Amino acid sequence: DAMVIQNPRYQVTQFGKPVTLSCSQTLNHNVMYWYQQKSSQAPKLLFHYYDKDFNNEADTPDNFQSRRPNTSFCFLDIRSPGLGDAAMYLCATSRDFSAERSYEQYFGPGTRLTVT
Amino acid sequence: DAKTTQPNSMESNEEEPVHLPCNHSTISGTDYIHWYRQLPSQGPEYVIHGLTSNVNNRMASLAIAEDRKSSTLILHRATLRDAAVYYCILRDDGSGNTGKLIFGQGTTLQVKP
Repeated sequence: DAMVIQNPRYQVTQFGKPVTLSCSQTLNHNVMYWYQQKSSQAPKLLFHYYDKDFNNEADTPDNFQSRRPNTSFCFLDIRSPGLGDAAMYLCATSRDFSAERSYEQYFGPGTRLTVT
Repeated sequence: DAKTTQPNSMESNEEEPVHLPCNHSTISGTDYIHWYRQLPSQGPEYVIHGLTSNVNNRMASLAIAEDRKSSTLILHRATLRDAAVYYCILRDDGSGNTGKLIFGQGTTLQVKP
């Protein structure tokens, strides 16, 4: 009964070679988030979608892009991975972010990206 | 964004209660207090959240100070499976909010058998 699924769990890519990480959800949530978590650090938000509206964090490098073709799926594209992009990439969903109620986020297990 | 302060690490014995403190002296009126935890090699997991009143759920209790400048996550009987990094996060649910979570460094909880 997995709710937020990330594939693959482990991804190895070469320096400069584009890579795509995927996330799918069975919760029918409006919001999908991508976080980056480097070793021994806390997760850091890269961007999120509210439905089809894309919102980029101000300090997210241009090297990172995202696509959300439908409610269930969201992709993280790294156009030219560098050694510093090696990290765990976490996808999360939330029903909404209404001001009247604070909805929790549901995280996937993450994809660990290695750049060689 | 409002900041939180947590101890870097704490230890507990199995089956004893654990009180995890969090200071958030700059909290604003529209900030909800969220707690998430991250078990080893897993994504974060929602634990509990509250605004002003104390909250209980099947996982934990959240005690919020009257002035809201601090809170405490209470695990009533720690188990070995509760060993994780616990994050206390303030989430602004006022106008213009995006629901984003800004993680601090959290508290690493070790549970001893």
